[in-house]
Amino acid sequence: QMQLVQSGAEVKKPGSSVNISCEASGDTFTYRYLHWLRQAPGQAPEWMGWITPFNGYSHNAQKFQDRVTFTRDTPMTTVYMHLSSLRSDDTAMYFCATEDGSNSFDTWGPGTLVTVSS
Amino acid sequence: DIQMTQSPASVSAFVGDGVTMTCRASQDINNHVVWYQQKPGKAPKSLISGASYLQSGVPSRFSGSGSGTDFTLTISSLQPEDSATYYCQQYNGSPRTFGGGTKVEIK
Repeated sequence: QMQLVQSGAEVKKPGSSVNISCEASGDTFTYRYLHWLRQAPGQAPEWMGWITPFNGYSHNAQKFQDRVTFTRDTPMTTVYMHLSSLRSDDTAMYFCATEDGSNSFDTWGPGTLVTVSS
Repeated sequence: DIQMTQSPASVSAFVGDGVTMTCRASQDINNHVVWYQQKPGKAPKSLISGASYLQSGVPSRFSGSGSGTDFTLTISSLQPEDSATYYCQQYNGSPRTFGGGTKVEIK
C-alpha cells in the first residue's frame, strides 16, 4: 500500500518561494499522475496541477500561470512543487495525491502547511 | 472554469437518519464527478467516482447518483463516524474544480 510523505511546514515572507517535496513509500508512483492541491483554511480544496514522474510531463492550472513548477528526481521516487512570488492568500495546506483508474484522487499525502506572512 | 455548487452548506441529523446533499455543475459534465469525505485535520478521502461507483472499502450506506449537471450524495443511515465535510469534484474539464462543501453534523 503506497503512502505519500511530504516535507514539513514552512513559514515564508511575501514575494519569496517555497519548495515542497512528496515521496512515495511502500510502492511507486512512477507511472501514475501525481497531483498537487491546496486548501486554504475553511475553504474547499483547489487543484493546482499534475506531473507524471516517469517522463516529467506536467500541467498546471492557468490560475497559477508561471508561478508554479512541478519536477521530479531521477529515481522518480520524489516529486517537488515550487511556488514563487508568494502572497498572503497562498497560505494553505498543500497536498500531493495520486490519481487512480477511476479519475479520483485516491492516495493523499498528509499535507504541508505553508504560511505566508510578513 | 466549471463551477460546482453544493447545497446545503450544512446539515444536522440524528444517527440512523438519511441525509442527502446535492451538487450542481455550471455545464454538462456527463457523470464525471467524485465525492470526497474530509474530517478535520485530515486529507480528503474519495467515496464515489463516476457519480455512482462506490470506491473499495466505502460502506454501502453511501450512494451517489446523477448525470449532466445535477448530482446527489446520499447517506442512507447516518453513523457517528460520518460527521465530516463532503465535497464534490468534477474531472470533465481542466482545471478540476470542487464544490464548496456540505458539513454534516450529528444531532
